[in-house]
Amino acid sequence: KNQVEQSPQSLIILEGKNCTLQCNYTVSPFSNLRWYKQDTGRGPVSLTIMTFSENTKSNGRYTATLDADTKQSSLHITASQLSDSASYICVVSWMDSSYKLIFGSGTRLLVRP
Amino acid sequence: EAQVTQNPRYLITVTGKKLTVTCSQNMNHEYMSWYRQDPGLGLRQIYYSMNVEVTDKGDVPEGYKVSRKEKRNFPLILESPSPNQTSLYFCASSFQPGGGGIQETQYFGPGTRLLVL
Repeated sequence: KNQVEQSPQSLIILEGKNCTLQCNYTVSPFSNLRWYKQDTGRGPVSLTIMTFSENTKSNGRYTATLDADTKQSSLHITASQLSDSASYICVVSWMDSSYKLIFGSGTRLLVRP
Repeated sequence: EAQVTQNPRYLITVTGKKLTVTCSQNMNHEYMSWYRQDPGLGLRQIYYSMNVEVTDKGDVPEGYKVSRKEKRNFPLILESPSPNQTSLYFCASSFQPGGGGIQETQYFGPGTRLLVL
């Protein structure tokens, strides 16, 4: 069964610290993997998108990695800020007879001063 | 400004009263999609459309209808809403998926919070 699992479910860190969020998937055949940031009550906003051949991609203080062999991805946040408090969602896509997306349930990050 | 708009943003209704949530995008995207988001379950796809007059079911289509008569609009219709359709709904759009890369980035609307009594 195709699944996307994220860990931890929630995380609290102090402002200025780094953190890493995990995403494991069992989707096959894999097309690409995205990370989204969702502020409370708002729509998700894309951070990164990686295809099979890419193993790292950065967007400012956000760096995503992808290991297609182990089917794992991580999102690393450097020097966290209060505005990083949000849910982070991992999404995996694949193509068979049609285009499919699976969303992880997200990691809720709280950055405290 | 490139954006996806949804209306209404908040809606309280009663069981059985038909309603429509509108979605519009100004980016000339082919692919549009509706999702619902419930606590602990993540985003689940209701319906999607690859282009005008081309729609297909997502993972949770029961109780919903959609139409795609124009490229920019993708309304979600609840013919007879029930309390289990109380949720937060998002519309999203992107260029034609499948090619990989940045063109597959989905842009989400601000969400519509629906309460069915």
